[in-house]
Amino acid sequence: GESVGLHLPTLSVQEGDNSIINCAYSNSASDYFIWYKQESGKGPQFIIDIRSNMDKRQGQRVTVLLNKTVKHLSLQIAATQPGDSAVYFCAENMGSGGSNYKLTFGKGTLLTVNP
Amino acid sequence: EAEVAQSPRYKITEKSQAVAFWCDPISGHATLYWYRQILGQGPELLVQFQDESVVDDSQLPKDRFSAERLKGVDSTLKIQPAELGDSAMYLCASSPDSEWDTQYFGPGTRLTVL
Repeated sequence: GESVGLHLPTLSVQEGDNSIINCAYSNSASDYFIWYKQESGKGPQFIIDIRSNMDKRQGQRVTVLLNKTVKHLSLQIAATQPGDSAVYFCAENMGSGGSNYKLTFGKGTLLTVNP
Repeated sequence: EAEVAQSPRYKITEKSQAVAFWCDPISGHATLYWYRQILGQGPELLVQFQDESVVDDSQLPKDRFSAERLKGVDSTLKIQPAELGDSAMYLCASSPDSEWDTQYFGPGTRLTVL
């Protein structure tokens, strides 16, 4: 079936470096994408989202890039900090619109920031 | 900042017992979701409510799972009887209304079935 997947299951970076987490999706009809951060023992926390009519969106220290041609999504974290250590999930809206849409999550990437 | 509340945070039960989880969404959020998350995987949708109505329960194992949101506000997810394979994190999320609205998650209930 169609799904969202991640290229790298784990990523280890040095504090202060930039991090890039990648995600591939297979449903060309998906029109909304979200990145979530999940710390151990906690629920997913919204980071940033992007709609399919955009190819880039920036937040505070984070940037999401969407390449619809190759069905690829990435999350860039600038000046990575130890507090950024968590599992990062991309999720896609695979529904038909309205109130009956379904958010499907990928498997997640574990980001570890070394001091 | 408004948050989704869930209780209990942790639940240990024996197989064949009944368990129930409670969720209170962010005030004013019409849409409520229950997800199950197995360790090391992403959350999987179990059931979605729009106000008090079920919108999608296609992934809910209806022989043992039930969910309700009687007054369109808080919600309860029940498992009866619990099985070993039900051990997971059960997450509740809510969103204001439309497909473009972000889902905000609660802290989850960690269920262990012995």
